[in-house]
Amino acid sequence: DAMVIQNPRYQVTQFGKPVTLSCSQTLNHNVMYWYQQKSSQAPKLLFHYYDKDFNNEADTPDNFQSRRPNTSFCFLDIRSPGLGDAAMYLCATSMVGGNQPQHFGDGTRLSIL
Amino acid sequence: DQQVKQNSPSLSVQEGRISILNCDYTNSMFDYFLWYKKYPAEGPTFLISISSIKDKNEDGRFTVFLNKSAKHLSLHIVPSQPGDSAVYFCAASGERGSQGNLIFGKGTKLSVKP
Repeated sequence: DAMVIQNPRYQVTQFGKPVTLSCSQTLNHNVMYWYQQKSSQAPKLLFHYYDKDFNNEADTPDNFQSRRPNTSFCFLDIRSPGLGDAAMYLCATSMVGGNQPQHFGDGTRLSIL
Repeated sequence: DQQVKQNSPSLSVQEGRISILNCDYTNSMFDYFLWYKKYPAEGPTFLISISSIKDKNEDGRFTVFLNKSAKHLSLHIVPSQPGDSAVYFCAASGERGSQGNLIFGKGTKLSVKP
């Protein structure tokens, strides 16, 4: 089945230690998104790639970076994680064009020690 | 400031009855609305959507109603089943054109009791 896969499902890192979260897709979608979701909050868009074009949300901290080496893969890099970065990180994909739903992976839960 | 609001954090319904989940939005530029369902430890799953040119969209037991003048949409599930117990997120897009960037509400946790 075509899908969006996030690895790992659970990630523990130390305060200030860089961490990378991974997302892959077999849907061949143009657009890939990264969301941050904290407990009882709405998923919040961090950035997205439209093909190779990177689009950062205005309020996304500089601590968060992303790479998309090819259509199938997208990475979220957190350069110096703080305690406030503990959250669920969701990857999603969609086709470009009006009225296209996004398809989500199961997320990576990040804990900071 | 929240552009998409789900004012009920939780809802409990008896099996077989109707579940009605509500969502309000503030941005009149939104033109596409979606509902997602989320089970614990899983990502959100797309459920149903509606374009602003319509006021109703139906898919099996799920119907979404859109009232543009009130900036309000609702999801009706009938009949409700225990397997429908999940968190339901309302989302909207259109402000940013065709790339489908979504603004989510905080979700409503639905519990369907047998």
